[in-house]
Amino acid sequence: SQQGEEDPQALSIQEGENATMNCSYKTSINNLQWYRQNSGRGLVHLILIRSNEREKHSGRLRVTLDTSKKSSSLLITASRAADTASYFCATASGYALNFGKGTSLLVTP
Amino acid sequence: EPEVTQTPSHQVTQMGQEVILRCVPISNHLYFYWYRQILGQKVEFLVSFYNNEISEKSEIFDDQFSVERPDGSNFTLKIRSTKLEDSAMYFCASSEPPFGDTQYFGPGTRLTVL
Repeated sequence: SQQGEEDPQALSIQEGENATMNCSYKTSINNLQWYRQNSGRGLVHLILIRSNEREKHSGRLRVTLDTSKKSSSLLITASRAADTASYFCATASGYALNFGKGTSLLVTP
Repeated sequence: EPEVTQTPSHQVTQMGQEVILRCVPISNHLYFYWYRQILGQKVEFLVSFYNNEISEKSEIFDDQFSVERPDGSNFTLKIRSTKLEDSAMYFCASSEPPFGDTQYFGPGTRLTVL
């Protein structure tokens, strides 16, 4: 399976701190995507990084991709309480996105 | 900003009944998908649809499931004879070409099978 697996499973930080989540996968990919899911809600696309890219930024988000290690990281800088959610990496396998189990992030004021 | 919409937001049905979940993808998208998420578990791919036919399906998508694009805007998932284990959140998604690129998800339909 190509699915990503996130680490850690849960992360608790205070507002203003940075949050780093990691994702590992098993086979070659075309791209890797990160999604956010607030409790009981839909998936919100955050960022896509292609296999020929090493780093990408979007606002307070920074994503890195290391295809040699088959891993990616998502950094959220200066976190806010509103960042509290589950974060998933997803790898593209043909048409399907393969999701990991996610990292549950709690940001306390 | 265009978004994927899904109806109903919550569907309760009796075991053995047929249900149809509806989705309106983003208008200029060409690829459509269904995923499901059983409570507390990860999001699982069910099926993708392109050019009026299934392009890929998972092992979960067995004969009790079917998809259809009945008109130019709707995309539906039918479950013929629901089972208790079909209880889950069902997400529709759509994307522009190429496949595997950013998929935009709807808010989901929570299906409860009693």
